[in-house]
Amino acid sequence: EDKVVQSPLSLVVHEGDTVTLNCSYEVTNFRSLLWYKQEKKAPTFLFMLTSSGIEKKSGRLSSILDKKELFSILNITATQTGDSAIYLCAVGNSGGSNYKLTFGKGTLLTVNP
Amino acid sequence: DSGVTQTPKHLITATGQRVTLRCSPRSGDLSVYWYQQSLDQGLQFLIQYYNGEERAKGNILERFSAQQFPDLHSELNLSSLELGDSALYFCASSPRGYEQYFGPGTRLTVT
Repeated sequence: EDKVVQSPLSLVVHEGDTVTLNCSYEVTNFRSLLWYKQEKKAPTFLFMLTSSGIEKKSGRLSSILDKKELFSILNITATQTGDSAIYLCAVGNSGGSNYKLTFGKGTLLTVNP
Repeated sequence: DSGVTQTPKHLITATGQRVTLRCSPRSGDLSVYWYQQSLDQGLQFLIQYYNGEERAKGNILERFSAQQFPDLHSELNLSSLELGDSALYFCASSPRGYEQYFGPGTRLTVT
């Protein structure tokens, strides 16, 4: 059975801190790893990492994928209160029209002023 | 705003009833996915449709069914509802079968 494990489950930091969120996985026929941010309702897409793109950066957020060790990290530098959210990691297997995402349970990040 | 729409936003119903949740994907996306999110289980994949055809099934109960119509909107039908079915139900659509964009969700409360 496909498995995605995120750590820590929750994290409380102060504004300006740097945080690292972890995601390890065991899936058959790996295709991609995705990070989502979930605030009040719907998850919003952050990054997708694949074999051809193992490092992504957008502003203060960056992510790397280690396909050999089967994990990914999401880094957030100079955190702000608006970064408070649940961060979800998902791994996609198979491909094309039969693609399926398996989600981890998420990391709840709280950034205090 | 992801471009995926879902109705209704909230639904309160009694045990044993049947409800229908509706989803319209982003323009041009052929794949639609349904997910259930509860506090203890996290985000669970239910079912996927691609251009009207069922393509993948996850942890979907037999009391639940879905379909995707020719205009690509999708409906998730939940019947014989139980208290444990109370959850957020998300629909997501995908352009290429990789990144998925989520709708705002329907919060279902079964009393």
